[in-house]
Amino acid sequence: NAGVTQTPKFRVLKTGQSMTLLCAQDMNHEYMYWYRQDPGMGLRLIHYSVGEGTTAKGEVPDGYNVSRLKKQNFLLGLESAAPSQTSVYFCATTLEGRGSNQPQHFGDGTRLSIL
Amino acid sequence: KQEVTQIPAALSVPEGENLVLNCSFTDSAIYNLQWFRQDPGKGLTSLLLIQSSQREQTSGRLNASLDKSSGRSTLYIAASQPGDSATYLCAVVGNEKLTFGTGTRLTIIP
Repeated sequence: NAGVTQTPKFRVLKTGQSMTLLCAQDMNHEYMYWYRQDPGMGLRLIHYSVGEGTTAKGEVPDGYNVSRLKKQNFLLGLESAAPSQTSVYFCATTLEGRGSNQPQHFGDGTRLSIL
Repeated sequence: KQEVTQIPAALSVPEGENLVLNCSFTDSAIYNLQWFRQDPGKGLTSLLLIQSSQREQTSGRLNASLDKSSGRSTLYIAASQPGDSATYLCAVVGNEKLTFGTGTRLTIIP
């Protein structure tokens, strides 16, 4: 039972390069989220999806794009990486949205450094 | 805008002691509150979820309380163990999203 799997686990990029982070879940959850975690700032929501084919902006969406073409996958893209995007990125899923008694499940994170 | 605060940022206690971690939030219009544990280099693990209509939840040595009117939650850990050492985060759910606190780093001294 894999739960939430993030790929890759580590990556170093140069400024201006692009990349895609993959989140895959095998729990048949509707809701998926991308967060970034920075020292002293906690986790901040980048984008989220309430179901296949849907996406929505979170608190810090600038510089990122997302896609949810399949229910089990949520992709986070950086079109032109900047040093300010150096962070640890977490994907999370939950069965239902607000009002649910279901907790969020997190992946182990992707550590991304932009030089 | 919802703001979630956790004080203190770090806490060290001897093994065996009972302890309380605090979480406060500014907007009482929440659907639920969750407590998570994060080990170094790992993701977050959900510990307890309290729905807005509830006052507390218990799991083993953990007890979480919620007072919506005052915007406060506490996580009580009984008989602490070295394995409890981790960062504990609280998060509140409003609309479709969670707002996280910055966490309390807990160290249990053997």
